[in-house]
Amino acid sequence: DAGVTQSPTHLIKTRGQQVTLRCSPKSGHDTVSWYQQALGQGPQFIFQYYEEEERQRGNFPDRFSGHQFPNYSSELNVNALLLGDSALYLCASSSPSVRSKNIQYFGAGTRLSVL
Amino acid sequence: AQSVAQPEDQVNVAEGNPLTVKCTYSVSGNPYLFWYVQYPNRGLQFLLKYITGDNLVKGSYGFEAEFNKSQTSFHLKKPSALVSDSALYFCAVRDPLYSSASKIIFGSGTRLSIRP
Repeated sequence: DAGVTQSPTHLIKTRGQQVTLRCSPKSGHDTVSWYQQALGQGPQFIFQYYEEEERQRGNFPDRFSGHQFPNYSSELNVNALLLGDSALYLCASSSPSVRSKNIQYFGAGTRLSVL
Repeated sequence: AQSVAQPEDQVNVAEGNPLTVKCTYSVSGNPYLFWYVQYPNRGLQFLLKYITGDNLVKGSYGFEAEFNKSQTSFHLKKPSALVSDSALYFCAVRDPLYSSASKIIFGSGTRLSIRP
């Protein structure tokens, strides 16, 4: 049973460019959340998708957008990249099961470097 | 607003000794609390959670955590540390008002180093 998978693992971009990160949730999971983890810090919540709609959003500008597909996979898009966007981007998925819905399972992340 | 605080950036313990990683929280209402571990170049792995019930929660890899409502703490513990426990540990809280698995607020992390 594959866990949460993210691609690519590493990415290098320059300021002003746009980037798309991808996430496939754990089998049976329908909710996907995205987090940004800057170096030396804890993950910060970006947004969450459920039933192909953004359900919650953290304190991130509109440059950060996302999408969820009918198969529950998700994309994170960042426009007009800034140096400060350099971070590890984590995707987490969770199950509709009542027993386990409070637990989010994380992928290994995509490390984005903006030069 | 909910928050968690991890007062120690680093904890150093000798192998075989007990370990404690501290966490305090601030939430309105009953907290949903979690501990996650992050190994180098890996994502976060779920260790344990407290939703309700017994104040002592047992989790993966021999870890446990003690919920203390009066001290608003949720410290992570292990009776006997292993070198392989060396990693970055995050305490986290979830907003209990949402019905779905909503956003998690993470602490800043504590680096645990176990020396042989």
